Amino acid sequence: DVKVTQSSRYLVKRTGEKVFLECVQDMDHENMFWYRQDPGLGLRLIYFSYDVKMKEKGDIPEGYSVSREKKERFSLILESASTNQTSMYLCASSLRGAGTNEKLFFGSGTQLSVL
Amino acid sequence: GQQLNQSPQSMFIQEGEDVSMNCTSSSIFNTWLWYKQDPGEGPVLLIALYKAGELTSNGRLTAQFGITRKDSFLNISASIPSDVGIYFCAGQLNNNNDMRFGAGTRLTVKP
Repeated sequence: DVKVTQSSRYLVKRTGEKVFLECVQDMDHENMFWYRQDPGLGLRLIYFSYDVKMKEKGDIPEGYSVSREKKERFSLILESASTNQTSMYLCASSLRGAGTNEKLFFGSGTQLSVL
Repeated sequence: GQQLNQSPQSMFIQEGEDVSMNCTSSSIFNTWLWYKQDPGEGPVLLIALYKAGELTSNGRLTAQFGITRKDSFLNISASIPSDVGIYFCAGQLNNNNDMRFGAGTRLTVKP
């Protein structure tokens, strides 16, 4: 079974702090994604990566950055956390290729609260 | 980008009832997918649809890719308590990462 592991289930941070959310997948997937989930808004794509050291902006990249130094690990960074970044963050991965790109495997999520 | 409208937002049903939810878009998609999120977990893929008009089943779940390519629906027959969760539709136009998600349908099943 594909396993996507997010390092924390719950995080509480203060406004202005730098926050790191870590995600690791164990199935050698090329594609990795970061989404945020907010009630009534569904899942919105923040950043994604097709390969090591590669990153692309999603729909809502402002206030975030990412790092992909190794194929299995994709980190989301909040440079200076703000209260409007309080949300559930979901990491996902997929295998590159027609018929597999779109089949996302999600982690269990990190509920981040910024006070 | 394309907007997905998913309805209903929430449903409260009795165990054994059938459920229907749908998703519509202002633009066409080439792929429609349905995910389910159990409480406290990430979404899990239920069904993927690749052709207009396609009807696909997965156990008690049936999903269809609309003929216009702008909509999809998901039916659950004979609901059981473990069907509880949030169901998301997702649409993708090209074979890259332009997938869009609906806002979700929260399903509650009363025993």
